[in-house]
Amino acid sequence: DTAVSQTPKYLVTQMGNDKSIKCEQNLGHDTMYWYKQDSKKFLKIMFSYNNKELIINETVPNRFSPKSPDKAHLNLHINSLELGDSAVYFCASSQELASADTQYFGPGTRLTVL
Amino acid sequence: RKEVEQDPGPFNVPEGATVAFNCTYSNSASQSFFWYRQDCRKEPKLLMSVYSSGNEDGRFTAQLNRASQYISLLIRDSKLSDSATYLCVVFNSGGSNYKLTFGKGTLLTVNP
Repeated sequence: DTAVSQTPKYLVTQMGNDKSIKCEQNLGHDTMYWYKQDSKKFLKIMFSYNNKELIINETVPNRFSPKSPDKAHLNLHINSLELGDSAVYFCASSQELASADTQYFGPGTRLTVL
Repeated sequence: RKEVEQDPGPFNVPEGATVAFNCTYSNSASQSFFWYRQDCRKEPKLLMSVYSSGNEDGRFTAQLNRASQYISLLIRDSKLSDSATYLCVVFNSGGSNYKLTFGKGTLLTVNP
C-alpha cells in the first residue's frame, strides 16, 4: 500500500548509457514531481507535472526527459549519462499544484554513474 | 542570497535538550512555509506547516516572521528518534510556476 513508489531503488551504470526511473502514486493526486538530491544533500526540483501536463522544467539539461502516461505515473528517462548525474532522484506527488499541499515523496533512486 | 538559508549545523545535543533551528528566505512574496524531516537515506516527510501566528505540535513549535522573512523550529525534550535532517521549505508561485524550494537542511543528532 505504498503511496509513492519508485523503481529501481539503486542504479549503477556507465557514463554514456541511457537509463529510466519509474514512479507511480496511488494517492489519486493530480500533481507529480521529480527532485534531485546531490552529494551535498541539496534537494532541488527538476520537473513538475499537473494532470499529465509539464508545468515546471527547472533548467534541466535536455538529456533528461520526463514522461507522464497518466496522472498516476511520471517516469524519468536520462540519455547519455554523465558523472555529475550521480545523485538520489526523488519522485513526489501532491493533491493540487497551486495550493501548497503536502508533497509525498517516494523512497528515492540512488543513481551512480561510473 | 540563496532562496532559503538554514543554520549549517550539525547540532549534537543530549536527550532532553531543547534545540532551535533558524531559516531565512529571500522572496518576500513567498506564500507558505513548512518544515520537512529527512532521516538518513530516506525520503523527506512533512513535519509541520508554519503559520504566521506560530503553531505547536507536541514538542515541536514553529514560528514565522514575515517582516524579517524568518522561520524557526523549536524542539523541546529531544528524543533519540528526533535525530534527522530538518529541511526548511518555502512555497512560491510565479505565474504558473508553483514550487517548493528547500533549504540545505540542518542535521540534528540527539545523543543518549
